[in-house]
Amino acid sequence: DQQVKQNSPSLSVQEGRISILNCDYTNSMFDYFLWYKKYPAEGPTFLISISSIKDKNEDGRFTVFLNKSAKHLSLHIVPSQPGDSAVYFCAASEGDKIIFGKGTRLHILP
Amino acid sequence: DTGVSQNPRHKITKRGQNVTFRCDPISEHNRLYWYRQTLGQGPEFLTYFQNEAQLEKSRLLSDRFSAERPKGSFSTLEIQRTEQGDSAMYLCASSLEGPRTGNEQYFGPGTRLTVT
Repeated sequence: DQQVKQNSPSLSVQEGRISILNCDYTNSMFDYFLWYKKYPAEGPTFLISISSIKDKNEDGRFTVFLNKSAKHLSLHIVPSQPGDSAVYFCAASEGDKIIFGKGTRLHILP
Repeated sequence: DTGVSQNPRHKITKRGQNVTFRCDPISEHNRLYWYRQTLGQGPEFLTYFQNEAQLEKSRLLSDRFSAERPKGSFSTLEIQRTEQGDSAMYLCASSLEGPRTGNEQYFGPGTRLTVT
């Protein structure tokens, strides 16, 4: 039973436009949510996180929105750049453990 | 480079052999995690240490798997009597426990295991 779901395996976005990656979760006890980015042959790289008591966190081009009532979060990247092409993992933390979704592959088109 | 390092980066072994992987975390981090990632999946938690104490093990971690962190610094993950189903990327991550830091974990590049 997947507790963190990323229902879009891939997404293509034009360079300069907004990329929106979505994530749903089932466990209301998660206290932090995180986004990781992964290039081939590298480990995941931490991007941004949000506490369950907040609804928005922004860091440069990256913004994460949390809707607790819908158990949904999203990562917005604006403007999208070629280097953003990667696999993005949504993850949720309960205590010391992180549970990852399956990832969404983002393609930034020239 | 003071990030998380893992060795070897690739390992090919025959079914039934034992393998050992090493992880060196970020030096000031007291927590160390092991994950396994297979194709099309996100990383799956295996086990973690706080200093030298192993605090949690996933049910994914069969008795053929053992992890140690003897001095609270580097860690090793050993798989005995490897099976083809053990083929995966094994990822190590570290973090610093403190006033709620959001549990950001920093990953190494992984060790890709292929069991033939």
